[in-house]
Amino acid sequence: EVQLVESGGGVVQPGGSLRLSCAASGFTFSSYAMSWVRQAPGKGLEWVSGISVGGGSTNYADSVKGRFTISRDNSKNTLYLQLSSLRAEDTAVYYCAKVIPEYPSAMVGVHDIWGQGTMVTVSS
Amino acid sequence: QLVLTQSPSASASLGASVKLTCTLSSGHSSYAIAWHQQQPEKGPRYLMKLNSDGSHWKGDGIPDRFSGSSSGAERYLTISSLQSEDEADYYCQTWGTGIQVFGGGTKLTVL
Repeated sequence: EVQLVESGGGVVQPGGSLRLSCAASGFTFSSYAMSWVRQAPGKGLEWVSGISVGGGSTNYADSVKGRFTISRDNSKNTLYLQLSSLRAEDTAVYYCAKVIPEYPSAMVGVHDIWGQGTMVTVSS
Repeated sequence: QLVLTQSPSASASLGASVKLTCTLSSGHSSYAIAWHQQQPEKGPRYLMKLNSDGSHWKGDGIPDRFSGSSSGAERYLTISSLQSEDEADYYCQTWGTGIQVFGGGTKLTVL
Protein backbone atom coordinates (compact mmCIF):
# COMPACT_ATOMS: atom_id res chain seq x y z
CA GLU A 1 0.00 0.00 0.00
CA VAL A 2 1.29 3.43 -0.95
CA GLN A 3 1.50 5.46 2.24
CA LEU A 4 2.92 8.64 3.74
CA VAL A 5 2.99 9.01 7.52
CA GLU A 6 3.93 12.33 9.13
CA SER A 7 5.20 12.74 12.68
CA GLY A 8 6.95 15.26 14.90
CA GLY A 9 4.21 17.80 15.44
CA GLY A 10 3.48 19.35 18.82
CA VAL A 11 3.20 22.55 20.82
CA VAL A 12 6.14 24.96 20.64
CA GLN A 13 6.70 28.51 21.87
CA PRO A 14 7.09 31.44 19.47
CA GLY A 15 10.66 31.57 18.24
CA GLY A 16 11.11 27.87 18.82
CA SER A 17 12.01 25.01 16.49
CA LEU A 18 10.59 21.65 15.49
CA ARG A 19 11.46 18.94 12.99
CA LEU A 20 8.74 17.11 11.11
CA SER A 21 9.26 13.72 9.45
CA CYS A 22 7.34 11.93 6.70
CA ALA A 23 7.91 8.19 6.27
CA ALA A 24 7.14 6.85 2.80
CA SER A 25 6.26 3.28 1.85
CA GLY A 26 4.78 1.35 -1.07
CA PHE A 27 6.59 3.28 -3.82
CA THR A 28 10.13 4.11 -4.90
CA PHE A 29 10.62 7.19 -2.73
CA SER A 30 13.93 8.11 -4.36
CA SER A 31 12.23 8.53 -7.75
CA TYR A 32 9.82 11.30 -6.82
CA ALA A 33 9.92 14.94 -5.84
CA MET A 34 8.06 15.72 -2.63
CA SER A 35 6.20 18.62 -1.07
CA TRP A 36 5.09 19.93 2.30
CA VAL A 37 1.64 21.58 2.38
CA ARG A 38 0.00 23.12 5.46
CA GLN A 39 -3.51 24.01 6.54
CA ALA A 40 -4.18 26.52 9.30
CA PRO A 41 -7.26 25.84 11.45
CA GLY A 42 -10.40 26.49 9.41
CA LYS A 43 -8.38 27.64 6.39
CA GLY A 44 -7.39 26.27 3.00
CA LEU A 45 -4.31 24.46 1.76
CA GLU A 46 -1.02 26.36 1.44
CA TRP A 47 2.04 24.94 -0.32
CA VAL A 48 5.10 25.34 1.92
CA SER A 49 8.09 23.72 0.25
CA GLY A 50 9.25 21.26 -2.38
CA ILE A 51 12.36 19.15 -2.94
CA SER A 52 13.83 17.39 -5.95
CA VAL A 53 14.40 13.66 -6.33
CA GLY A 54 17.98 13.77 -5.09
CA GLY A 55 17.48 16.61 -2.64
CA GLY A 56 19.80 19.01 -4.42
CA SER A 57 17.09 21.50 -5.37
CA THR A 58 14.56 23.03 -3.02
CA ASN A 59 11.87 25.71 -3.17
CA TYR A 60 9.93 27.57 -0.50
CA ALA A 61 6.86 29.75 -0.17
CA ASP A 62 7.75 33.35 0.64
CA SER A 63 5.97 32.99 4.00
CA VAL A 64 8.54 30.46 5.26
CA LYS A 65 11.68 31.27 3.25
CA GLY A 66 14.71 31.59 5.51
CA ARG A 67 12.94 29.92 8.45
CA PHE A 68 12.05 26.42 7.21
CA THR A 69 14.37 23.83 5.63
CA ILE A 70 13.23 20.82 3.62
CA SER A 71 15.45 17.77 3.24
CA ARG A 72 15.22 14.08 2.49
CA ASP A 73 17.07 10.83 3.24
CA ASN A 74 16.42 8.43 0.36
CA SER A 75 18.18 5.60 2.21
CA LYS A 76 15.53 5.89 4.93
CA ASN A 77 12.59 6.75 2.62
CA THR A 78 11.98 9.80 4.76
CA LEU A 79 11.19 13.47 4.08
CA TYR A 80 11.90 16.18 6.66
CA LEU A 81 10.88 19.75 7.38
CA GLN A 82 12.91 21.74 9.90
CA LEU A 83 10.82 24.59 11.30
CA SER A 84 12.67 27.47 13.00
CA SER A 85 11.82 30.96 14.28
CA LEU A 86 8.24 29.79 14.57
CA ARG A 87 5.39 32.28 14.68
CA ALA A 88 1.76 31.99 15.74
CA GLU A 89 0.73 32.08 12.07
CA ASP A 90 2.69 28.86 11.46
CA THR A 91 0.09 26.98 13.51
CA ALA A 92 -1.34 24.40 11.13
CA VAL A 93 -1.65 20.78 10.14
CA TYR A 94 1.37 19.92 8.02
CA TYR A 95 0.96 17.38 5.22
CA CYS A 96 3.61 15.74 3.08
CA ALA A 97 2.69 14.83 -0.48
CA LYS A 98 4.22 12.90 -3.36
CA VAL A 99 4.61 14.82 -6.63
CA ILE A 100 3.99 13.50 -10.13
CA PRO A 101 6.35 15.78 -12.06
CA GLU A 102 4.90 17.87 -14.88
CA TYR A 103 7.96 16.92 -16.92
CA PRO A 104 11.01 14.76 -16.17
CA SER A 105 13.20 16.25 -13.44
CA ALA A 106 10.52 18.79 -12.50
CA MET A 107 9.87 19.49 -8.82
CA VAL A 108 6.33 20.60 -9.42
CA GLY A 109 3.20 18.83 -10.58
CA VAL A 110 0.22 16.95 -9.27
CA HIS A 111 0.19 15.89 -5.61
CA ASP A 112 -1.16 12.35 -6.00
CA ILE A 113 -0.50 10.86 -2.56
CA TRP A 114 -1.06 12.68 0.74
CA GLY A 115 -0.28 11.83 4.34
CA GLN A 116 -2.73 12.21 7.22
CA GLY A 117 -0.95 15.27 8.60
CA THR A 118 0.73 16.31 11.83
CA MET A 119 -0.41 19.29 13.93
CA VAL A 120 1.97 22.10 14.86
CA THR A 121 0.77 24.63 17.42
CA VAL A 122 2.85 27.74 18.11
CA SER A 123 1.75 29.27 21.38
CA SER A 124 3.19 30.66 24.58
CA GLN B 1 0.93 36.16 -10.76
CA LEU B 2 -0.38 32.61 -10.81
CA VAL B 3 -3.64 32.51 -8.86
CA LEU B 4 -6.55 30.06 -8.70
CA THR B 5 -10.02 31.35 -7.78
CA GLN B 6 -12.82 29.18 -6.41
CA SER B 7 -16.28 30.01 -5.07
CA PRO B 8 -16.31 29.51 -1.27
CA SER B 9 -19.41 27.35 -1.23
CA ALA B 10 -21.79 25.26 -3.31
CA SER B 11 -24.76 23.05 -2.58
CA ALA B 12 -26.83 20.43 -4.37
CA SER B 13 -29.34 17.76 -3.51
CA LEU B 14 -28.66 14.10 -2.88
CA GLY B 15 -28.67 12.27 -6.22
CA ALA B 16 -28.30 15.45 -8.28
CA SER B 17 -25.23 16.79 -10.08
CA VAL B 18 -23.01 19.75 -9.27
CA LYS B 19 -20.31 21.58 -11.23
CA LEU B 20 -17.50 23.28 -9.32
CA THR B 21 -15.35 25.93 -10.97
CA CYS B 22 -11.68 26.85 -10.66
CA THR B 23 -10.49 29.92 -12.58
CA LEU B 24 -6.88 30.51 -13.60
CA SER B 25 -5.48 34.02 -13.45
CA SER B 26 -4.92 36.11 -16.58
CA GLY B 27 -2.14 34.79 -18.80
CA HIS B 28 -2.33 31.27 -17.41
CA SER B 29 -5.31 29.84 -19.29
CA SER B 30 -3.25 26.98 -20.79
CA TYR B 31 -2.22 25.56 -17.43
CA ALA B 32 -3.24 22.14 -16.22
CA ILE B 33 -4.65 21.76 -12.73
CA ALA B 34 -5.41 19.01 -10.25
CA TRP B 35 -8.57 18.57 -8.17
CA HIS B 36 -8.41 17.33 -4.57
CA GLN B 37 -11.16 16.37 -2.13
CA GLN B 38 -10.92 16.85 1.63
CA GLN B 39 -13.62 15.22 3.71
CA PRO B 40 -14.19 16.53 7.24
CA GLU B 41 -11.30 15.82 9.61
CA LYS B 42 -9.34 13.98 6.92
CA GLY B 43 -6.30 14.68 4.78
CA PRO B 44 -6.69 15.68 1.13
CA ARG B 45 -7.32 13.03 -1.53
CA TYR B 46 -6.23 13.41 -5.13
CA LEU B 47 -9.13 13.20 -7.60
CA MET B 48 -7.76 14.01 -11.05
CA LYS B 49 -5.41 15.99 -13.25
CA LEU B 50 -7.23 18.20 -15.76
CA ASN B 51 -5.64 19.67 -18.88
CA SER B 52 -6.69 22.79 -20.78
CA ASP B 53 -8.23 20.67 -23.53
CA GLY B 54 -10.48 18.91 -21.02
CA SER B 55 -8.58 15.63 -20.99
CA HIS B 56 -8.22 14.29 -17.50
CA TRP B 57 -6.62 11.43 -15.58
CA LYS B 58 -8.24 10.25 -12.38
CA GLY B 59 -6.53 8.85 -9.33
CA ASP B 60 -6.85 5.22 -8.33
CA GLY B 61 -10.31 4.29 -7.13
CA ILE B 62 -12.01 7.56 -8.05
CA PRO B 63 -15.58 6.76 -9.12
CA ASP B 64 -16.89 7.50 -12.62
CA ARG B 65 -19.28 10.01 -10.99
CA PHE B 66 -16.35 12.43 -10.89
CA SER B 67 -15.38 14.08 -14.18
CA GLY B 68 -13.51 17.13 -15.37
CA SER B 69 -13.81 19.63 -18.21
CA SER B 70 -12.23 22.92 -19.31
CA SER B 71 -13.22 26.12 -21.09
CA GLY B 72 -10.70 28.91 -21.53
CA ALA B 73 -9.26 29.76 -18.13
CA GLU B 74 -11.92 27.79 -16.29
CA ARG B 75 -11.53 24.27 -15.02
CA TYR B 76 -14.54 22.32 -13.86
CA LEU B 77 -15.18 19.38 -11.58
CA THR B 78 -18.57 17.73 -12.10
CA ILE B 79 -19.92 15.28 -9.56
CA SER B 80 -23.01 13.35 -10.62
CA SER B 81 -25.39 11.22 -8.56
CA LEU B 82 -24.33 13.07 -5.42
CA GLN B 83 -23.89 10.97 -2.31
CA SER B 84 -23.65 12.07 1.30
CA GLU B 85 -19.94 11.25 1.42
CA ASP B 86 -19.33 13.80 -1.36
CA GLU B 87 -19.92 16.55 1.19
CA ALA B 88 -16.41 17.90 1.49
CA ASP B 89 -14.03 20.71 0.60
CA TYR B 90 -12.70 20.66 -2.96
CA TYR B 91 -9.41 22.31 -3.87
CA CYS B 92 -7.82 22.97 -7.23
CA GLN B 93 -4.04 23.06 -7.53
CA THR B 94 -1.60 24.13 -10.22
CA TRP B 95 2.10 24.76 -10.57
CA GLY B 96 4.55 27.19 -12.04
CA THR B 97 8.31 27.57 -12.10
CA GLY B 98 9.36 26.30 -8.69
CA ILE B 99 6.02 26.91 -7.02
CA GLN B 100 2.78 25.10 -6.32
CA VAL B 101 -0.48 27.02 -5.94
CA PHE B 102 -3.81 26.08 -4.37
CA GLY B 103 -7.19 27.68 -4.82
CA GLY B 104 -9.06 28.78 -1.72
CA GLY B 105 -11.36 25.76 -1.84
CA THR B 106 -15.10 25.21 -2.30
CA LYS B 107 -17.18 23.76 0.52
CA LEU B 108 -19.78 21.44 -1.01
CA THR B 109 -22.96 20.78 0.98
CA VAL B 110 -25.16 17.85 -0.03
CA LEU B 111 -28.77 18.70 0.84
